[in-house]
Amino acid sequence: GAVVSQHPSWVICKSGTSVKIECRSLDFQATTMFWYRQFPKQSLMLMATSNEGSKATYEQGVEKDKFLINHASLTLSTLTVTSAHPEDSSFYICSARPGAGSSYEQYFGPGTRLTVT
Amino acid sequence: DQQVKQNSPSLSVQEGRISILNCDYTNSMFDYFLWYKKYPAEGPTFLISISSIKDKNEDGRFTVFLNKSAKHLSLHIVPSQPGDSAVYFCAASGSYNFNKFYFGSGTKLNVKP
Repeated sequence: GAVVSQHPSWVICKSGTSVKIECRSLDFQATTMFWYRQFPKQSLMLMATSNEGSKATYEQGVEKDKFLINHASLTLSTLTVTSAHPEDSSFYICSARPGAGSSYEQYFGPGTRLTVT
Repeated sequence: DQQVKQNSPSLSVQEGRISILNCDYTNSMFDYFLWYKKYPAEGPTFLISISSIKDKNEDGRFTVFLNKSAKHLSLHIVPSQPGDSAVYFCAASGSYNFNKFYFGSGTKLNVKP
């Protein structure tokens, strides 16, 4: 149980285009979902926290107009990287917290490798 | 601001021996700590956690030790098995904002048969 999927697992796009990444909780309802970014050999950095049906809360330094997050249902959150540039190339991981889970419970997706050329 | 640090990027251990992975943190407000294991092309999976009211938590072969005065925690794996080979991340959080996890940069463990 507690499986989180991400799609696509990897994507290559050209500068200036937008890319959408999906995060789904497959066997539980997630009232809260999180988006992380990981650079090579570095730690996961929290980008934003989203609650179903409300606006995401972005961490300091994360551009909300560039990284659009939509948490439209209890099983789906999307991250759209708008007008992507090579510096946006990174590994993006989502996680989800079950509605009935403890405060510290998070289940992670497998991640999406984004390469912007 | 790197509030959680794993200073050893890699560790190699012989099968059957003990693996000790270390983690240091700087924020005294952290009161909950977690270890995650990550295989290539997969997301991190929860391994074990510890609250700041404890100094030790054990789950099978895995034991986490917390030294609050030193702001240091460690994960012990005994005995180590080849299947334990993965990247291990420590993470810290605080009850003041349990939504935010601070992760270390990970330690790649290689258990040799």
